[in-house]
Amino acid sequence: KAGVTQTPRYLIKTRGQQVTLSCSPISGHRSVSWYQQTPGQGLQFLFEYFSETQRNKGNFPGRFSGRQFSNSRSEMNVSTLELGDSALYLCASSRRAPGQGTEKLFFGSGTQLSVL
Amino acid sequence: ILNVEQSPQSLHVQEGDSTNFTCSFPSSNFYALHWYRWETAKSPEALFVMTLNGDEKKKGRISATLNTKEGYSYLYIKGSQPEDSATYLCAPLSLTGTASKLTFGTGTRLQVTL
Repeated sequence: KAGVTQTPRYLIKTRGQQVTLSCSPISGHRSVSWYQQTPGQGLQFLFEYFSETQRNKGNFPGRFSGRQFSNSRSEMNVSTLELGDSALYLCASSRRAPGQGTEKLFFGSGTQLSVL
Repeated sequence: ILNVEQSPQSLHVQEGDSTNFTCSFPSSNFYALHWYRWETAKSPEALFVMTLNGDEKKKGRISATLNTKEGYSYLYIKGSQPEDSATYLCAPLSLTGTASKLTFGTGTRLQVTL
């Protein structure tokens, strides 16, 4: 069974550009959540999607957006990139929404974004 | 849930030592407590998900306990091995209506040497 797949693995952008990151969950998983990891910070929650609906959103500016498709694949978009957006972006999937039972998350390898 | 604290921040032990870490969290809107292990250059991997006060989970040499009333969880590693070297993350799951959110601590970085 294939794991959570994130593309691209590495990305270099310049300030002001926009970027789209992709996440394909494990087959049969309907929940996808996104996290940002920067040095010295814990994993910061960005959003959570379940069955194409955003169920929760973290404290990030509106430049960060996401969506989920009918096949559960998810994309995350960051517009007008800033230097501080440089980070590792991880997505995680689970069969059901995290609040249902004791679902654990399965993480992808992440996309390392560098903004110059 | 704000202010998830993990201690110590880092730990260096010898092979064979037993060790433990602490995760403390506010108990408001608490639903579950997750523990993950994150090895360098790999993805975080789930260790345990616990929900009940007094819950204890075990996986090989690693075990965890949960106290939801006072808001803390302990992770124990018995007889540490070099392959246990990783960052251990805890994350309480809060549930407000249908909106759930995992709030990760900054982790405890464990280094096990021969």
